[in-house]
Amino acid sequence: QVQLQESGPGLVKPSETLSLTCTVSGGSVSPYYWSWIRQPPGKGLEWIGYIFYTGSTKYNPSLQSRVTISLDTSKSQFSLRLSSVTAADTAVYYCARGGSYSEIDYWGQGNLVTVSS
Amino acid sequence: DIQMTQSPSTLSASVGDRVTITCRASQSISGWLAWYQQKPGKAPKLLIYKASYLQSGVPSRFSGSGSGTEFTLTISSLQPDDFATYYCQQYNSYLYTFGQGTKLEIK
Repeated sequence: QVQLQESGPGLVKPSETLSLTCTVSGGSVSPYYWSWIRQPPGKGLEWIGYIFYTGSTKYNPSLQSRVTISLDTSKSQFSLRLSSVTAADTAVYYCARGGSYSEIDYWGQGNLVTVSS
Repeated sequence: DIQMTQSPSTLSASVGDRVTITCRASQSISGWLAWYQQKPGKAPKLLIYKASYLQSGVPSRFSGSGSGTEFTLTISSLQPDDFATYYCQQYNSYLYTFGQGTKLEIK
């Protein structure tokens, strides 16, 4: 059974960089796509971007200038960096398996990140 | 971006009822649609993929249909565990987009 677990700080200051890591267990990172998705409190879901096991990436154009997703296959981990954060980036951040015309079939439990000074 | 619109936004129903949620896409997405169930404080759970395929382990009272721009999720006989928020999501484009959600409440 594939499991995903997010890790990272729950509080980030405005203008700083949000960094989260997702650890995949119970399965291989190949040959899958891996996504980050976020959900502001009380609101709907927004796809942030994905990375393929080869390292190729695609990002939501609305966030593209601030987002980087990377992959460490040796550790079965992929990471999210979101720069220049504001209060509007406060959300539960989910890592998930799927992307590029495949459904999202496994999700992490979510990591609430609050942007506040 | 492909916009996804769900209706209704809120649905009140009773245990045993048959309920249907509709999802419309702003352009054709063929059959590249998924449905998720989300409970408070939890991650979404995949129910249906490719519009009508039941994810492994999901009860058969859930079913999906549609193609092109109009899709439905049907729960044939509501159970207490089904009261949750449901989201549709298109994956016809690399830019995945979700509906705004339908909250299914107990009447």
